[in-house]
Amino acid sequence: NAGVTQTPKFQVLKTGQSMTLQCAQDMNHNSMYWYRQDPGMGLRLIYYSASEGTTDKGEVPNGYNVSRLNKREFSLRLESAAPSQTSVYFCASRDSHNSPLHFGNGTRLTVT
Amino acid sequence: GIQVEQSPPDLILQEGANSTLRCNFSDSVNNLQWFHQNPWGQLINLFYIPSGTKQNGRLSATTVATERYSLLYISSSQTTDSGVYFCAVGQSGGYNKLIFGAGTRLAVHP
Repeated sequence: NAGVTQTPKFQVLKTGQSMTLQCAQDMNHNSMYWYRQDPGMGLRLIYYSASEGTTDKGEVPNGYNVSRLNKREFSLRLESAAPSQTSVYFCASRDSHNSPLHFGNGTRLTVT
Repeated sequence: GIQVEQSPPDLILQEGANSTLRCNFSDSVNNLQWFHQNPWGQLINLFYIPSGTKQNGRLSATTVATERYSLLYISSSQTTDSGVYFCAVGQSGGYNKLIFGAGTRLAVHP
């Protein structure tokens, strides 16, 4: 049982380049989330999808777009990467608002 | 939005010592979790505990929702307990947002 799988694990981009971070879960969860973690800080919510077909902004959505492709997959896109987006990105999922959140292992992104 | 404060920010222990980590939150919650982020960056679920008390081996947690705090107890600490401990809460009525505290960084020395 893989849980939450994120790809890639590491990525280096130049300023202005675009990329998509992929996330898939095999737990049949309804809700999926993207967080970012900057050095020495807690996690901040970028976007979330409460259920298939819906997406909503979190605390720090600027510069990002998301797609809930189906129940399993939730992708995060950076259209024009900036050095301020250098961070570790975590995807997570859970079944409902009163059930535990499960995290992937993260994607370490560096923008130069 | 809801505020989440964790204390202490840093903690250094000798192996075998006990510790208590605290999480205060500013509004009523319907979801509270404790996570351990290990030195490799992985986030490990410790407890899902919006109220009450739970125990898992050397770790236990208590949430007093009416007084807006949660405690994580670590007994007989081991070097493998090192890392950062996060509290995350879901605000009642804020259906799907889980907000994290800044964490407590724990170092356990042999």
